[in-house]
Amino acid sequence: EPEVTQTPSHQVTQMGQEVILRCVPISNHLYFYWYRQILGQKVEFLVSFYNNEISEKSEIFDDQFSVERPDGSNFTLKIRSTKLEDSAMYFCASSKTGPLTGQPQHFGDGTRLSIL
Amino acid sequence: RKEVEQDPGPFNVPEGATVAFNCTYSNSASQSFFWYRQDCRKEPKLLMSVYSSGNEDGRFTAQLNRASQYISLLIRDSKLSDSATYLCVVALSGNQFYFGTGTSLTVIP
Repeated sequence: EPEVTQTPSHQVTQMGQEVILRCVPISNHLYFYWYRQILGQKVEFLVSFYNNEISEKSEIFDDQFSVERPDGSNFTLKIRSTKLEDSAMYFCASSKTGPLTGQPQHFGDGTRLSIL
Repeated sequence: RKEVEQDPGPFNVPEGATVAFNCTYSNSASQSFFWYRQDCRKEPKLLMSVYSSGNEDGRFTAQLNRASQYISLLIRDSKLSDSATYLCVVALSGNQFYFGTGTSLTVIP
């Protein structure tokens, strides 16, 4: 069964450094998402992406965050200048069609980001 | 009011018990509803979509009540392996899915 893949599984970075998290969505999916989950807390929406542009973003997704689909397969999340509070699990997800169509999203197994 | 609300639990039930979770949502125009399961430090995994007429998958039954704006998940004959956090996910509008805080279930031998 096709799946969403994320790399790396664990990233340790010094505060203030830039980090790029990578995701390969399921190949015939058109909508892509990033979420974060701080340990012990709920899954929080960051951004959705469709047709090579951001569709929606949350208040968390401020100027230090950006997303890109640099080629036909990868979908990346960049955090420009990391803060201690960026430490979390970051999940990528994809869905075949948009959220209102009834198609579910499928998640990668996440990247654990630890900021020192 | 939060977009999606769940009772966080925890629910501790004996093996073989039946347990039910509810989830309320704020937007009556919501279109898509799902239950996901999340194990500790793992990704959410789709358990089932929720359809207007209700749907069943083995021991799991999901129902939608549009009038009262809630969805429910019923687990019959609970197994130890059902222990997890159950996430209610709703597409309220636009291109975003909204997550509940999750309901923690522990099935006890």
